[in-house]
Amino acid sequence: EVQLVESGGGLVQPGGSLRLSCAASGFTFSSYWMSWVRQAPGKGLEWVANIKQDGSEKYYVDSVKGRFTISRDNAKNSLYLQMNSLRAEDTAVYYCAREGQPWIWGQGTMVTVSS
Amino acid sequence: DIQMTQSPSSLSASVGDRVTITCQASQDISNYLNWYQQKPGKAPKLLIYDASNLETGVPSRFSGSGSGTDFTFTISSLQPEDIATYYCQQYDNLMYTFGQGTKLEIK
Repeated sequence: EVQLVESGGGLVQPGGSLRLSCAASGFTFSSYWMSWVRQAPGKGLEWVANIKQDGSEKYYVDSVKGRFTISRDNAKNSLYLQMNSLRAEDTAVYYCAREGQPWIWGQGTMVTVSS
Repeated sequence: DIQMTQSPSSLSASVGDRVTITCQASQDISNYLNWYQQKPGKAPKLLIYDASNLETGVPSRFSGSGSGTDFTFTISSLQPEDIATYYCQQYDNLMYTFGQGTKLEIK
């Protein structure tokens, strides 16, 4: 069964850092682009970042450029999102997703940025 | 960046009604469009990919059409379990964008 399980969310103060992880199973992780997508409370979906199979290409939404870093470890079938300089507007459920047909999503991990 | 304009933002319909949601891209995205259903507290569920292809296991009352900049998502006969929020998503380039969502309610 194809599965993505996110972890690492929690409560962090403004200006703080957090590292999200996504454990993949049931498919050849190294063959797929991977994405992070977030959803603020009561709001719509926002794509955040993605990374090529070998990590050689990465793209970010403008609002997180310079603050967030996406990475992956194909040997560990894992995707990561390092989030620095966090702001209140980064508060959201963060989903890890496998790109392609079909897109496969994890269940999400909640990040709350508040003092 | 490609902008996706989805309408309406909310919709109230009766069981058995035909429901239509539209999504307009700010530039030609060919058929690189997904439609998702999201229920409260759950991850989005893919219904339609490549604008018109039904994902495996999805009921045939759901359908999608369009190409280029204009797309339509249809539920042919609304069922109570279809109450959810629906999103379009373009994947023409590597910086994906979503529509604002359509919240579907039962009248």
